[in-house]
Amino acid sequence: EPEVTQTPSHQVTQMGQEVILRCVPISNHLYFYWYRQILGQKVEFLVSFYNNEISEKSEIFDDQFSVERPDGSNFTLKIRSTKLEDSAMYFCASSSDRGLGEQFFGPGTRLTVL
Amino acid sequence: AQSVTQLGSHVSVSEGALVLLRCNYSSSVPPYLFWYVQYPNQGLQLLLKYTSAATLVKGINGFEAEFKKSETSFHLTKPSAHMSDAAEYFCAVEETSGSRLTFGEGTQLTVNP
Repeated sequence: EPEVTQTPSHQVTQMGQEVILRCVPISNHLYFYWYRQILGQKVEFLVSFYNNEISEKSEIFDDQFSVERPDGSNFTLKIRSTKLEDSAMYFCASSSDRGLGEQFFGPGTRLTVL
Repeated sequence: AQSVTQLGSHVSVSEGALVLLRCNYSSSVPPYLFWYVQYPNQGLQLLLKYTSAATLVKGINGFEAEFKKSETSFHLTKPSAHMSDAAEYFCAVEETSGSRLTFGEGTQLTVNP
């Protein structure tokens, strides 16, 4: 069964460093998303991406964040200068349809900023 | 903006007992509604979704949910809990014109033998 994969499963970084979280969405999907879940809190939307551009972003997704689809398979989230409060589980999701399409989630990358 | 409220951050039931997890949403128009389950150290898996067809939605693993517009609710139920149902459950809403999912706080379900 097709699935969304994410690497690495756990990333530890020093405050101020740049990190890139990688995702491989399901191959025929067209809509891509990043969400995050701070420990003990709810899952929060960060950004959605379609047709090689951001289609929607939340207030969390500030200038420190960027997304890219560098090739036909990968979808990345970059945090330019990490802060302690960026420590969270980051989930990638993809869907084939907007609105009615189920968003399939990856297993997540746990980011720890020290 | 959409919001979702899940009443009860922790629910504990005995094996074989009814599971009822509550979800209320705020929306001026009927949204699309979802229940996701998260097992430890795993991603989110869709249990079921409501997309304005039948108000009673059946999902995987014996779960179902009923959309009640008058109560702005979408509670999740299962007639008989199994040990393997222990997980965190998230209710989510998707705006009809948007693509983001707005999640509730989550409910941790514990199933006691």
